[in-house]
Amino acid sequence: DQQVKQNSPSLSVQEGRISILNCDYTNSMFDYFLWYKKYPAEGPTFLISISSIKDKNEDGRFTVFLNKSAKHLSLHIVPSQPGDSAVYFCAASARGDSNYQLIWGAGTKLIIKP
Amino acid sequence: KAGVTQTPRYLIKTRGQQVTLSCSPISGHRSVSWYQQTPGQGLQFLFEYFSETQRNKGNFPGRFSGRQFSNSRSEMNVSTLELGDSALYLCASSFRPRSNSPLHFGNGTRLTVT
Repeated sequence: DQQVKQNSPSLSVQEGRISILNCDYTNSMFDYFLWYKKYPAEGPTFLISISSIKDKNEDGRFTVFLNKSAKHLSLHIVPSQPGDSAVYFCAASARGDSNYQLIWGAGTKLIIKP
Repeated sequence: KAGVTQTPRYLIKTRGQQVTLSCSPISGHRSVSWYQQTPGQGLQFLFEYFSETQRNKGNFPGRFSGRQFSNSRSEMNVSTLELGDSALYLCASSFRPRSNSPLHFGNGTRLTVT
């Protein structure tokens, strides 16, 4: 039972345009969400996070939107740059859960075309 | 500040053997988590250690075990290796469990079981 789903295994976007990566979750107890970026042969690196008390968090070119009623979050990258080509993982947690752990999506491979 | 260090980077083992992977967290980080990454499966949580105690465990068989030392360094062991254990094993550190501070990952150990 996948609690965090990234339904697009890959996404191709033109350089300079907006990249939108989507993530859906099923557990209504999740209250903290994160996005990580992963290059080949490297570990994931933290990108941006959002708490369930917010519906938007922005950091430079990266914005994460959270729609709690739809149990959906998205990561917007504007403008997209070649260095953004990587695999993006969303992750979620329920910080009040005694069995606390981060639940990860399967990842979306973003390809930025020049 | 040195990042999370995982050794070895690559490992080839035969079915039935056992393997030990090592992780040195960022200085000052006392929480260490281990993840298994396989293609299309995202990151699967193995276990988390804090102050030399296992705080949480994922849904992996008992062949997977770990420990943490007083200097926060951690090891994970897989006994009686199976072909399906071939994966990228990632270690992540943070100051403490359940914190808002994001995980810092090492570059992983690529284990191939033949």
